[in-house]
Amino acid sequence: NAGVTQNPKFQVLKTGQSMTLQCAQDMNHNSMYWYRQDPGMGLRLIYYSASEGTTDKGEVPNGYNVSRLNKREFSLRLESAAPSQTSVYFCASSEWTGSVGDTQYFGPGTRLTVL
Amino acid sequence: SQELEQSPQSLIVQEGKNLTINCTSSKTLYGLYWYKQKYGEGLIFLMMLQKGGEEKSHEKITAKLDEKKQQSSLHITASQPSHAGIYLCGADMSMYSGGGADGLTFGKGTHLIIQP
Repeated sequence: NAGVTQNPKFQVLKTGQSMTLQCAQDMNHNSMYWYRQDPGMGLRLIYYSASEGTTDKGEVPNGYNVSRLNKREFSLRLESAAPSQTSVYFCASSEWTGSVGDTQYFGPGTRLTVL
Repeated sequence: SQELEQSPQSLIVQEGKNLTINCTSSKTLYGLYWYKQKYGEGLIFLMMLQKGGEEKSHEKITAKLDEKKQQSSLHITASQPSHAGIYLCGADMSMYSGGGADGLTFGKGTHLIIQP
C-alpha cells in the first residue's frame, strides 16, 4: 500500500497562476483533508471531505477550492495564486467510523512557492 | 489564541538523555494524537490517546493523557539521533467527530535536536 500520495512534490508559481494539487489514498478511507503548514503557525485545516460527495471549509479556506473526485482522490485548487499561499500542503485521510479515535494518515507534502 | 499549546518550542538534548514534550489545552481533548515529522517530510503517526489517564508506549517513547483530558506529555527515554525531528500534537476538539472528521487542531510543534 502506498498510503497517501501527493503530486507534485515541489511547485513554483507566479502570482495569478492557477494550479491543482493532487492527493490520492489507497486505504479505502472515507474522510480526506487538506492542511497547510507555515513556520510558527503549525498545521491549519483548509478543507475537508468527511465522506465521498461532501466537502466543507476548514479554518483557512479563502483562495482555495476542492474536489472530492471519488473515494480515493481529493484535489486542492488555487485559482489565482498569491504569495501568501506559499506553504507546505499536506493531504491526509482517515477511516472515520464515526467515533473518536480514527487516526489521520498524512502524505509527504507539496512544497509550493508563489513568486 | 492557540487552542493547543506545545512546549518547549525547541529542545536540544544530549544523546542518551531523557526528555519530555508537553501539549496543553484549556478545552477537553476528545482524541489526542502525536506525530513526528522529519525535516522536509510528511507526518508519521506515533500514538493516539483517548481516555483520561491513558498511557501508551512504543519502544522508547511514552505518551500520557491526564485525567482531565486537557494535557498530554510525550517522554523519550535515552534519546538517540533517530529521535530528532519535529513533534506535533493534534487533537479532536469536538466529541461529535471521529478522527477529527472535521479536521484536527494542531499545536505549533516542538523541534528536537539530539547532540552526539
